[in-house]
Amino acid sequence: DVKVTQSSRYLVKRTGEKVFLECVQDMDHENMFWYRQDPGLGLRLIYFSYDVKMKEKGDIPEGYSVSREKKERFSLILESASTNQTSMYLCASSFWVSAEAFFGQGTRLTVV
Amino acid sequence: GNSVTQMEGPVTLSEEAFLTINCTYTATGYPSLFWYVQYPGEGLQLLLKATKADDKGSNKGFEATYRKETTSFHLEKGSVQVSDSAVYFCALSDGVTGGGNKLTFGTGTQLKVEL
Repeated sequence: DVKVTQSSRYLVKRTGEKVFLECVQDMDHENMFWYRQDPGLGLRLIYFSYDVKMKEKGDIPEGYSVSREKKERFSLILESASTNQTSMYLCASSFWVSAEAFFGQGTRLTVV
Repeated sequence: GNSVTQMEGPVTLSEEAFLTINCTYTATGYPSLFWYVQYPGEGLQLLLKATKADDKGSNKGFEATYRKETTSFHLEKGSVQVSDSAVYFCALSDGVTGGGNKLTFGTGTQLKVEL
């Protein structure tokens, strides 16, 4: 079975902190994605990566950055956390030519 | 740009009732269409998919038919169970465009099934 693992289920951080959310997949997928999920808004794409060291902005990249140094790992970075970044964050991965994405269990981040 | 519209919830049904969750889309070209399900406290799982017009995706008693003429992909199940209670997301991908093969999601529809 494909496994996408996010490092934390729940996180509480203070405003202004630098926050790292980690995601690892074990299926040698080329594509990796970070979404945030908010009630009434569905899933919105923050960043995605289709190869090591490659990244592209999604629909809502402001306030976020990403890092992909190894194929299996994709990190989301909140440079200076703010309360409006309180949300559920979902990582996903897929093969290059397939749109079928496999999701992690999510990280619920609260910024206080 | 691409967009997906699905009916607002929550949808509350009695066990063994018939389920329809409507989904319509706007996209250029010939997108692939998906339904994902999210059970409480979990990430999303692929429920079913269809990659071209008139294809029917099916899984676990759920079905959806890709209707190009009405740009729709409605989810149906003949007899729901309490265990089907979850949030259902309709999504599309417009194919490989420079890598990434991104998904565009609807806002999700919460389904509650009661005994």
